[in-house]
Amino acid sequence: QVQLQESGPGLVKPSETLSLTCGISNDSIRNGHYWGWIRQAPGKGLEWIGSIHHDGITNYNPSLKSRVAISIDTSQIQFSLKVRSVTAADTAVYYCAREGLGVPSEWGRGAQVTVAS
Amino acid sequence: QSVLTQPPSVSGTPGQRVTISCSGSNSNIGGNTMNWYQQVPGTAPKLLIYSNNERPSGVPDRFSGSKSGTSASLAISGLQSEDEADYYCASWDDSLNGYVFGGGTKLTVL
Repeated sequence: QVQLQESGPGLVKPSETLSLTCGISNDSIRNGHYWGWIRQAPGKGLEWIGSIHHDGITNYNPSLKSRVAISIDTSQIQFSLKVRSVTAADTAVYYCAREGLGVPSEWGRGAQVTVAS
Repeated sequence: QSVLTQPPSVSGTPGQRVTISCSGSNSNIGGNTMNWYQQVPGTAPKLLIYSNNERPSGVPDRFSGSKSGTSASLAISGLQSEDEADYYCASWDDSLNGYVFGGGTKLTVL
């Protein structure tokens, strides 16, 4: 059973870059799946951020595309998310997920990120 | 404003059957498969239904999905107290070239 674990700073200052990593256990990033990020602002619904395939193909939410980058670590056992120029509106729980059935099917437990000075 | 539209809330009593609707357009539901997630507050979403009406391993057959045109529904039969959660519909959107979620529906078991 694949396990995913988000990690990164819980507090980011406005205008800085949010960086998160998703560690993968019991699966290989080269297994042909897409690996993605989804976030949930306090009291709000789910928002898909984007995803990446091991061959480097990426898809991004058009509303975030100019500020977001998803990459695969050279270790091949984790992938990362960067969101530039953050504001309070980027405060959310960030989830990483494996798109195992063509959709985000296995999720991490989530990482709370707060944007504040 | 979500691309997919769901009712904010539904409710039912134990044993009852409830349905949650989701409406979209030809670029998402109309042209792609429908998926549903269950989220108990404070926990990560769980995939409940994929490819319109398929259940991942471990999901009870009390949960079922259907799709017609640009709308879809999630049905929960034999309602149980542990079904109280938020439910989200989701689909790929060809116009946005991205994955879109509904705004979520809060299910209350009375």
